[in-house]
Amino acid sequence: QKEVEQNSGPLSVPEGAIASLNCTYSDRGSQSFFWYRQYSGKSPELIMFIYSNGDKEDGRFTAQLNKASQYVSLLIRDSQPSDSATYLCAVNMIEGGKLIFGQGTELSVKP
Amino acid sequence: DTGVSQDPRHKITKRGQNVTFRCDPISEHNRLYWYRQTLGQGPEFLTYFQNEAQLEKSRLLSDRFSAERPKGSFSTLEIQRTEQGDSAMYLCATRRANTEAFFGQGTRLTVV
Repeated sequence: QKEVEQNSGPLSVPEGAIASLNCTYSDRGSQSFFWYRQYSGKSPELIMFIYSNGDKEDGRFTAQLNKASQYVSLLIRDSQPSDSATYLCAVNMIEGGKLIFGQGTELSVKP
Repeated sequence: DTGVSQDPRHKITKRGQNVTFRCDPISEHNRLYWYRQTLGQGPEFLTYFQNEAQLEKSRLLSDRFSAERPKGSFSTLEIQRTEQGDSAMYLCATRRANTEAFFGQGTRLTVV
């Protein structure tokens, strides 16, 4: 089992819809979770982080964390074509602070 | 601009040559990570430092790879005797403790 797993996609949604991106992780002791967006040929940029169970909202983005299920998700409301990118989930491993990434989910928002 | 700087941005080298990349972190960031990313994959963990101490090195990393972070400031990643399979984007990320990490622009390596 990989330490952090994401559906590779591609995930295609129409403009204005809600995009839902999912991530599971293996280290039950993990405490902090991050979502990054990566455009083709560029380095990842931070979108959100979440530490506590439940939802955290920032503009059109909502991160959801369920530690019991070892599951973290990212919802993008009112999706725009400019949201088309690869979304990376990152998990801070409990031991030593190693930051591990999933393989990323490619999102395509169609006008 | 995140404040993390990587140099060079692009490097083309012949197979068998040695290459060295540099990462300059945000000044108060004590943790520094190196990742390798190939097309269609997420960043693959290579190694990381807390201050000047190298705390972990990926088991997947061959002996041809070495990293340093003298004085806990900038870091270098060296690849000896490069192979075509080393062609990838090499990313540096830095953070303060367990807070969010910020990436540099990356160094794209092409081995010909």
